[in-house]
Amino acid sequence: GAVVSQHPSWVICKSGTSVKIECRSLDFQATTMFWYRQFPKQSLMLMATSNEGSKATYEQGVEKDKFLINHASLTLSTLTVTSAHPEDSSFYICSAREYGFRGPRGGANVLTFGAGSRLTVL
Amino acid sequence: DAKTTQPNSMESNEEEPVHLPCNHSTISGTDYIHWYRQLPSQGPEYVIHGLTSNVNNRMASLAIAEDRKSSTLILHRATLRDAAVYYCILKYYNQGGKLIFGQGTELSVKP
Repeated sequence: GAVVSQHPSWVICKSGTSVKIECRSLDFQATTMFWYRQFPKQSLMLMATSNEGSKATYEQGVEKDKFLINHASLTLSTLTVTSAHPEDSSFYICSAREYGFRGPRGGANVLTFGAGSRLTVL
Repeated sequence: DAKTTQPNSMESNEEEPVHLPCNHSTISGTDYIHWYRQLPSQGPEYVIHGLTSNVNNRMASLAIAEDRKSSTLILHRATLRDAAVYYCILKYYNQGGKLIFGQGTELSVKP
C-alpha cells in the first residue's frame, strides 16, 4: 500500500535555530500533502495544506513565517520551523492524499500519514 | 461544519468484539464517514470509510445508521495491538480533501 516517510523521526535543537522536517510519498505521487501538529494527550491540529508547485494554504492562527512549507516535487514536502522556541516542541505529522491510488480506497481520497517527527526545543 | 461526538474512552477485553460509537447529527448528504486510528507515538492510519451502506474490510466493519446521524466502528475480535485512539471524521469534499480531527475515543484492551 501507499507509504509516507517522515524524516527525522525525532530532533532536538537549541532555541533560536531552524529545523527542517521532510515528508515523502514513497510509491505514489502526492499533489497535496497536509501538515499537522499534536501536543501530548491532544488531538491532531491541521496546520496547513501543501500543494505541489504553489504556495501552501495555512489554517487560521498558524504563522506562515514561522512554519515554512515547500512542496517542490510530487513526492516531497518540507516543513521548516524557523527560530524555534520551546513552545514549538510538538509532534509534527504529515499526510498525503492517495489521489488515483489503485484499489478500493483510491476513490475516497484516503489520507496516508507519516510516522511523525518529534521536535524538542531546548 | 458538521461535527462528530465520540466517548472519550472505552475498555475492552482481548478477543471480544468492540463497538465504537460516533454521533454526527449534522452530517450533510455528501459527507463520507471516515475512521482512522492512532497507535501510541505513531501517525494515524486509515481504518475504514463509508457513505450510506455498511462496510467491511480486513480491519473492521462500519455500521451506518439509516438516517446517517450516527455510525459504529466494529472490531470483531479486539487484540492488544488494537489499543489506540480511534477518530471518526466526516470528509468534506469541498475543503480540498483535508481531515479535521476531533478528540477521538481512546480504546484500551485488557488481556
